[in-house]
Amino acid sequence: NAGVTQTPKFQVLKTGQSMTLQCAQDMNHEYMSWYRQDPGMGLRLIHYSVGAGITDQGEVPNGYNVSRSTTEDFPLRLLSAAPSQTSVYFCASSYETSGVETQYFGPGTRLLVL
Amino acid sequence: AQKITQTQPGMFVQEKEAVTLDCTYDTSDPSYGLFWYKQPSSGEMIFLIYQGSYDQQNATEGRYSLNFQKARKSANLVISASQLGDSAMYFCAMISGGGADGLTFGKGTHLIIQP
Repeated sequence: NAGVTQTPKFQVLKTGQSMTLQCAQDMNHEYMSWYRQDPGMGLRLIHYSVGAGITDQGEVPNGYNVSRSTTEDFPLRLLSAAPSQTSVYFCASSYETSGVETQYFGPGTRLLVL
Repeated sequence: AQKITQTQPGMFVQEKEAVTLDCTYDTSDPSYGLFWYKQPSSGEMIFLIYQGSYDQQNATEGRYSLNFQKARKSANLVISASQLGDSAMYFCAMISGGGADGLTFGKGTHLIIQP
């Protein structure tokens, strides 16, 4: 299994540009989520999904859209990038078995918005 | 609302000493899970240990153990016999509400192991 993969690893955008951060997992996990990490902060939840066709907002959803058309993929879209969205973005997938929750993180995408 | 508090922004520890990283949490949900992650300078998030709210015993994974004190709402990470490779950021995180709506993270502790 490749686990959770994210592309690209690095990206530079100009203010107002749009882009999509890709996230894929090959573990057939139902739950997927997106986080952002800013300097001196822990990760903050942007959006999450409990299965194909179902998404919901996390703590910091403004400026981001998501969709979940398949179990494997959970792309994050920035419609009009702003400097405040400069951050490291992590995608995660998770499952629960016998009451134990397991979360797998992707390697992250570093985004710089100028 | 859920909240995770890590009160130690940074720690310096001598190699081979034991380390305790503090974490307190707040939630009204009776069912929750607590995690510790390690983030080295390379940036990836590495899962270390998990403790469920109904688990009777403290979780252990190799040199890592979780000192779970439910009444105090604390979930401290203990690293025994620290190594230079343990130098990293450490994050405490919590999940509740059925687990579907993601993790709540603390701000982290930067641990530096000195030779």
